[in-house]
Amino acid sequence: DGGITQSPKYLFRKEGQNVTLSCEQNLNHDAMYWYRQDPGQGLRLIYYSQIVNDFQKGDIAEGYSVSREKKESFPLTVTSAQKNPTAFYLCASSITSVLNEQYFGPGTRLTVT
Amino acid sequence: EDQVTQSPEALRLQEGESSSLNCSYTVSGLRGLFWYRQDPGKGPEFLFTLYSAGEEKEKERLKATLTKKESFLHITAPKPEDSATYLCAAVKLFGNEKLTFGTGTRLTIIP
Repeated sequence: DGGITQSPKYLFRKEGQNVTLSCEQNLNHDAMYWYRQDPGQGLRLIYYSQIVNDFQKGDIAEGYSVSREKKESFPLTVTSAQKNPTAFYLCASSITSVLNEQYFGPGTRLTVT
Repeated sequence: EDQVTQSPEALRLQEGESSSLNCSYTVSGLRGLFWYRQDPGKGPEFLFTLYSAGEEKEKERLKATLTKKESFLHITAPKPEDSATYLCAAVKLFGNEKLTFGTGTRLTIIP
């Protein structure tokens, strides 16, 4: 089955710790995205990548970092510099660019206390 | 500033009671308008893409339409399993590579 996997589903961390969220896809898509979803707000773009070894900041990149060493993988690190890290994080991919429909993973709910 | 506004925020319908969800956008030079369905605690599921005014797409009890300023998601004779949050998102023709999402309409179908 083709799709996008995110792990873990729930993640708990103490304030001041960095944490890495995993995102893997086997759809052979070039483009991958990370979004953050908070109650009452639309999905907000954190980072995106249209090709291996290249990525761009989205609207809310501060306090986050990413890498794209393989086409299938696009991990997101939430650093201690992110002021409000508790949120639902969604990874998505599309064939080539944002002009194509995006397919989303199941999400990771991160709680930082 | 590009904006996508969805209304109503929440809608409760009886099973079989048809209605429409609205997505209005102020994205200049619209390239595409996307509809997604999201169940609680899960990632959005792609439903439709609309590219030009007048275009319509259908899937089971759902039909999406697009005008120059807004899109509608019509739901005909809904069933309880249609309960979800419906999101729309717009992408502009020229600009940075991102979707602008609305905040969604939470639809509840009462048996």
